[in-house]
Amino acid sequence: DAKTTQPTSMDCAEGRAANLPCNHSTISGNEYVYWYRQIHSQGPQYIIHGLKNNETNEMASLIITEDRKSSTLILPHATLRDTAVYYCIVRANQGGKLIFGQGTELSVKP
Amino acid sequence: KAGVTQTPRYLIKTRGQQVTLSCSPISGHRSVSWYQQTPGQGLQFLFEYFSETQRNKGNFPGRFSGRQFSNSRSEMNVSTLELGDSALYLCASSPGQALKGYTFGSGTRLTVV
Repeated sequence: DAKTTQPTSMDCAEGRAANLPCNHSTISGNEYVYWYRQIHSQGPQYIIHGLKNNETNEMASLIITEDRKSSTLILPHATLRDTAVYYCIVRANQGGKLIFGQGTELSVKP
Repeated sequence: KAGVTQTPRYLIKTRGQQVTLSCSPISGHRSVSWYQQTPGQGLQFLFEYFSETQRNKGNFPGRFSGRQFSNSRSEMNVSTLELGDSALYLCASSPGQALKGYTFGSGTRLTVV
């Protein structure tokens, strides 16, 4: 079973920041938080990952709470092309399977 | 840099037949994983290969099998197809430790009739 809980769906206005929450209260000390997204009919796309510090790359920012029990993915200026299902996954970093939950369906509206 | 290539993109098979799907990972990537995606079950892990050895296996029946070749290309085979095997089959590759995450292909859409 997935070790994360995410809202089923969210809406965001184009140009505004999209903040996608994820709860992972049972995360272990050696587990990372990964975010992927899947645009309709395509394979999932890696976005970002982190252990305990906040992370930023060209796609998004990841904010992890101090107790590591939850995190937020931030898309700073959402566009229509960011409409997708976003998956939050926790995983130890020695390889192995990704356990996908149901994810959050983000709809970016004009 | 070429991405993960899966062939064929679409496939229609009859119940009882078998099927082989192919995945060519990104050059230099030694790990290949396979996932099944259905509307009801979502994305589910099938198996992972690293340097021609199966490293992890999901909870699928023995009808689902795979292998990896010395050039890291991988194939998965499903025998005695059932209607419920209709799904999008996705392949993902990584250098090995997957620190930067997996790169997925666009998948093979299998329809069993």
